[in-house]
Amino acid sequence: GENVEQHPSTLSVQEGDSAVIKCTYSDSASNYFPWYKQELGKGPQLIIDIRSNVGEKKDQRIAVTLNKTAKHFSLHITETQPEDSAVYFCAAKDFNKFYFGSGTKLNVKP
Amino acid sequence: DAGITQSPRHKVTETGTPVTLRCHQTENHRYMYWYRQDPGHGLRLIHYSYGVKDTDKGEVSDGYSVSRSKTEDFLLTLESATSSQTSVYFCATGTGASTDTQYFGPGTRLTVL
Repeated sequence: GENVEQHPSTLSVQEGDSAVIKCTYSDSASNYFPWYKQELGKGPQLIIDIRSNVGEKKDQRIAVTLNKTAKHFSLHITETQPEDSAVYFCAAKDFNKFYFGSGTKLNVKP
Repeated sequence: DAGITQSPRHKVTETGTPVTLRCHQTENHRYMYWYRQDPGHGLRLIHYSYGVKDTDKGEVSDGYSVSRSKTEDFLLTLESATSSQTSVYFCATGTGASTDTQYFGPGTRLTVL
């Protein structure tokens, strides 16, 4: 099955700086790559996604890039704010199953 | 937000007892999923359903069974709970379209003593 690896496991940045989280996947059949944000005590929520036929997608301060050849995708958050502090998960969808990375705990220091 | 509820939200039980967790959705989504979340492992798929009475195993299905008798309800059963099944369990739903996401419930924290 698919294997998704995510780095780093923890990331600490100063408010206003940028944050980058990287994921790799193993199965070239995966065609959809969502990113989720999970706040303490809550379920993950979709923040941005990208389809395999797109190289980059942006939504305000958040962007995702996909390199199909290298099988990796990244989340970029610019101008970080304290409310961005949370755990972020990447995922790859292969047929009807989602495979998740192990998560990145982002801490934005005021 | 997708209308997904999970019950109970918290449960403490003893080793060897049966436990059933319920997921209820109001979105009429075809697909429903059960995950467990453990530190350092992200979310791991236990079982999923692609329609009423249609289910399949995920990557960590041993010790778990599921049932789906109605579109809106998906039950996860631990026949004889073990301490290794202490975890946070999340239900998710989705339309099943190839490039559609899934929507998560609030989670159930299960402790097996």
